[in-house]
Amino acid sequence: SQTIHQWPATLVQPVGSPLSLECTVEGTSNPNLYWYRQAAGRGLQLLFYSVGIGQISSEVPQNLSASRPQDRQFILSSKKLLLSDSGFYLCAWSVGEGYNEQFFGPGTRLTVL
Amino acid sequence: QQPVQSPQAVILREGEDAVINCSSSKALYSVHWYRQKHGEAPVFLMILLKGGEQKGHDKISASFNEKKQQSSLYLTASQLSYSGTYFCGTEINNFNKFYFGSGTKLNVKP
Repeated sequence: SQTIHQWPATLVQPVGSPLSLECTVEGTSNPNLYWYRQAAGRGLQLLFYSVGIGQISSEVPQNLSASRPQDRQFILSSKKLLLSDSGFYLCAWSVGEGYNEQFFGPGTRLTVL
Repeated sequence: QQPVQSPQAVILREGEDAVINCSSSKALYSVHWYRQKHGEAPVFLMILLKGGEQKGHDKISASFNEKKQQSSLYLTASQLSYSGTYFCGTEINNFNKFYFGSGTKLNVKP
């Protein structure tokens, strides 16, 4: 069966510090991968999505970046965090066409102080 | 690109019905519905494809009006377990890219 892992589960970082969030998927190959951010009490904002290794599409350029070094690994990074980067970061995967459901990971709750 | 959901919040008594709407300014390829409990990840409910179909399981169903670029989620005889925030996710061009609405918070009370 397929599983998706995210770590860390929670993170408290000072403004200006770097960030690296990791997401890995097991039990499937060539998944579509997504990073979303959810601010407190708000909806899901698509940040990045990838349909293959090295293929990253950005929706919110700002100070975040994403990489996909391996087929089932998706990394979200920042060189310098801002207060506005606080939120609940969710990684998701799907396979095939868009009409297939997305499976979400457990999320990382990031607080920038 | 982000769809608009309404209402923003609903309070129901057990057994009552609710309708959540999702509308887009763009032509839609598919609409996904998810439910999120507080502090947890969203969980998939159903997908509706271009073609104006209707789907349902148990007492939760949905419709997709392609011409109006709208989808509605119907919750019948609500149960306490239905409480949570409901999101619609819309796909515009079948490019595996989704935009989610801001959510509808549903609170079912005994």
